[in-house]
Amino acid sequence: QVTLRESGPALVKPTQTLTLTCTFSGFSLSTSGMSMSWIRQPPGKALEWLARIDWDDDKYYSTSLKTRLTISKDTSKNQVVLTMTNMDPVDTATYYCAHSSRVGATAYFGLWGRGTLVTVSS
Amino acid sequence: QSVLTQPPSVSAAPGQKVTISCSGSSSNIGNNYVSWYQQLPGTAPKLLIYDNNERPSEIPDRFSGSKSGTSATLGITGLQTGDEADYYCGTWETSLSVWVFGGGTKLTVL
Repeated sequence: QVTLRESGPALVKPTQTLTLTCTFSGFSLSTSGMSMSWIRQPPGKALEWLARIDWDDDKYYSTSLKTRLTISKDTSKNQVVLTMTNMDPVDTATYYCAHSSRVGATAYFGLWGRGTLVTVSS
Repeated sequence: QSVLTQPPSVSAAPGQKVTISCSGSSSNIGNNYVSWYQQLPGTAPKLLIYDNNERPSEIPDRFSGSKSGTSATLGITGLQTGDEADYYCGTWETSLSVWVFGGGTKLTVL
């Protein structure tokens, strides 16, 4: 059974760096074809894809946010970490991690975590 | 402004059928698979359709997907009040090597 769980601070101050961790079970991110993405959703708004890391450590970032994002994985801990620098109140959102058993253009998000709400406020 | 265009809202009566459109371009929908996600109020999104028209085993056949050219459509038959949710389409944007979602469609079952 594949499970995903996001964790991180519920509140960050403007200009701070956000670090989110997705801890998963039921698969290994070192298995060929696996990938993990981060997706966020501001309150009342649409989903926004942020970043993806593939089993072979290929990484992809949102065009508008790539200068602020870093995605990494620790296969020994079954974790994927997202850091976002220079946080702003507009970054207030629920952040989800999502799993795909495919990479490349054929990927889709078969399983999502429950999400973690991050509020940016001084 | 989302790369993929969905109607903000659709509505229909219980038992009826509804379709939700998702319009894109040759660099996204036109050359890649489309997937659809259902987000019930207060919950995380859930995969409904992948590879344009494939359903995960746990998704009832009331839900269907199709694609033609640079547009995709989600169909829901036999509407139930429990289908009230936000629905999102998504696909890979080849020109930028990023994933893109539609702006979402709120389904109301009257």
